Amino acid sequence: DTEVTQTPKHLVMGMTNKKSLKCEQHMGHRAMYWYKQKAKKPPELMFVYSYEKLSINESVPSRFSPECPNSSLLNLHLHALQPEDSALYLCASSQDPTLDRWYGYTFGSGTRLTVV
Amino acid sequence: AQSVTQLDSQVPVFEEAPVELRCNYSSSVSVYLFWYVQYPNQGLQLLLKYLSGSTLVESINGFEAEFNKSQTSFHLRKPSVHISDTAEYFCAVSPRGGNTPLVFGKGTRLSVIA
Repeated sequence: DTEVTQTPKHLVMGMTNKKSLKCEQHMGHRAMYWYKQKAKKPPELMFVYSYEKLSINESVPSRFSPECPNSSLLNLHLHALQPEDSALYLCASSQDPTLDRWYGYTFGSGTRLTVV
Repeated sequence: AQSVTQLDSQVPVFEEAPVELRCNYSSSVSVYLFWYVQYPNQGLQLLLKYLSGSTLVESINGFEAEFNKSQTSFHLRKPSVHISDTAEYFCAVSPRGGNTPLVFGKGTRLSVIA
């Protein structure tokens, strides 16, 4: 399996809702990433997990809460979002970047989130 | 810290014409370099990467990129484009052996005209 699977593909939620985005990989990658991408912009890093521990939080508002229950799964819990949070949310995984043989990131197809 | 500059935000080109998408990077350490492609309403797909060895790398769909250390560039080229190549192309850089996440350029929108 050489894919990163993200679910759902589309999500519409109200500003008072609680929802979760899910990301799964079975490539044995020990680093996982959440990115946010607005239209016509590059992806912006939100969080990095390394060996199931949060290693980077790019000053993301607390209404976004990441979770890494195991080495294959990454969740992003959403609560009290704002309309400006509407975007494509991308998950990625990679081998440990400090290894000599590193091949970059594998991205999922994303969850397109609309906050109404 | 690393940074990536994609000099052209949009590149229109006629079908079957050649194209070059430019990418320059800045880094004080050795780097890995990547090109990702994003088709409309999809995620990012790895197009090609430079890790080590030959400075010319090729993809399965006819794109190639050449790592030029002296000019700190990694330009993407294709000798003859197709309508299906219309997409957003992102250049990205990561330091070798480090734990710094991938840094993306702002992207170049390639539009192939029939």
